[in-house]
Amino acid sequence: DQQVKQNSPSLSVQEGRISILNCDYTNSMFDYFLWYKKYPAEGPTFLISISSIKDKNEDGRFTVFLNKSAKHLSLHIVPSQPGDSAVYFCAAILGGSQGNLIFGKGTKLSVKP
Amino acid sequence: GAGVSQSPSNKVTEKGKDVELRCDPISGHTALYWYRQSLGQGLEFLIYFQGNSAPDKSGLPSDRFSAERTGGSVSTLTIQRTQQEDSAVYLCASSPTGLGYTFGSGTRLTVV
Repeated sequence: DQQVKQNSPSLSVQEGRISILNCDYTNSMFDYFLWYKKYPAEGPTFLISISSIKDKNEDGRFTVFLNKSAKHLSLHIVPSQPGDSAVYFCAAILGGSQGNLIFGKGTKLSVKP
Repeated sequence: GAGVSQSPSNKVTEKGKDVELRCDPISGHTALYWYRQSLGQGLEFLIYFQGNSAPDKSGLPSDRFSAERTGGSVSTLTIQRTQQEDSAVYLCASSPTGLGYTFGSGTRLTVV
């Protein structure tokens, strides 16, 4: 039973437009959420995170929104660039800063020039 | 080194053979994690080492899987009597006591 769900396996967006990647979770005890980006043949790299006490965190073109009541978070990339094409994983963690991350299955983003 | 190093990068093995996958974490990182990604799946947690504490083995899929971390540094993931369903990319990550996971590039294991 998946605790972190990314229901869209793929997303295609035109360069310059907004990309919105969605993630739902089931465990209300998660207190930290992260997004990772993965290129083929490379390990995932950390992109942005958000604590459960916040509802928004912004870093340049990347913004993560958290809706705790809906157990939903989203990653917005604006403007999207071809170099953003990758697989994006949503992850959550219990109990603060230690322990294992629980990942979703990922969404493959393709940004068309 | 500057990053997490995994070896080999690719491994093809015959069904029934044992394999060892190696992870060199970032120096000074006390936490080390193993994950695997099977085709079309997300990252599946396998095992977690934190300092000198007993490892969290709750993600290991069967008793054919084991892992060690020697001297609080290098880790080896061993899969005995490999099966075709073990084919996946095995990823290692390390972090300091916080959330700063850094992943290696992974070992792509193919069991034929």
